[in-house]
Amino acid sequence: DAGVIQSPRHEVTEMGQEVTLRCKPISGHNSLFWYRQTMMRGLELLIYFNNNVPIDDSGMPEDRFSAKMPNASFSTLKIQPSEPRDSAVYFCASSSGGGRNTGELFFGEGSRLTVL
Amino acid sequence: GENVEQHPSTLSVQEGDSAVIKCTYSDSASNYFPWYKQELGKRPQLIIDIRSNVGEKKDQRIAVTLNKTAKHFSLHITETQPEDSAVYFCGDTNAGKSTFGDGTTLTVKP
Repeated sequence: DAGVIQSPRHEVTEMGQEVTLRCKPISGHNSLFWYRQTMMRGLELLIYFNNNVPIDDSGMPEDRFSAKMPNASFSTLKIQPSEPRDSAVYFCASSSGGGRNTGELFFGEGSRLTVL
Repeated sequence: GENVEQHPSTLSVQEGDSAVIKCTYSDSASNYFPWYKQELGKRPQLIIDIRSNVGEKKDQRIAVTLNKTAKHFSLHITETQPEDSAVYFCGDTNAGKSTFGDGTTLTVKP
């Protein structure tokens, strides 16, 4: 298996632009997580899905952030409009099981976002 | 993370010495406690985990202990090597939601 695949790996954009990050989880995994990593705030959970359904989005910073999972093999994280403080590495991770059976998270290589 | 506190934030040891990283959590319903290692510029990867029905688990030079009563768990690395240098995150999982401590930067000096 190729593992969790994220795109783009790097994105530089200007303030106010829309940013879309993409994730393909490992086939057969039914839980998907979006994390944001910064020096100041560490590894923050933004949202997670179980069986394509958003379960907890309490970590989403504000209305500018949205996430979707239209099917079991694809998820997007969108920021509109982007701001310089959104600059971070965004990781997608997937796992099998869910609820009380949650196990190892497999992380993608991350998308490094820079908003100028 | 808001649910788990991790200490210390930085740790420097001599090669061959042991390293210990500690985490505390607040939710008694948490049932799965993983540890991830993140090398510079890389993704976090699981190195060991423990579930709430187990007190200790060991895998070669690394071990994790869990004290459910006190709500804390620890990572122990023995005979440290320079390649152990990385950021280590402890995790706390409850009902499928995995949150992490703020990380410990471990430096192993040769």
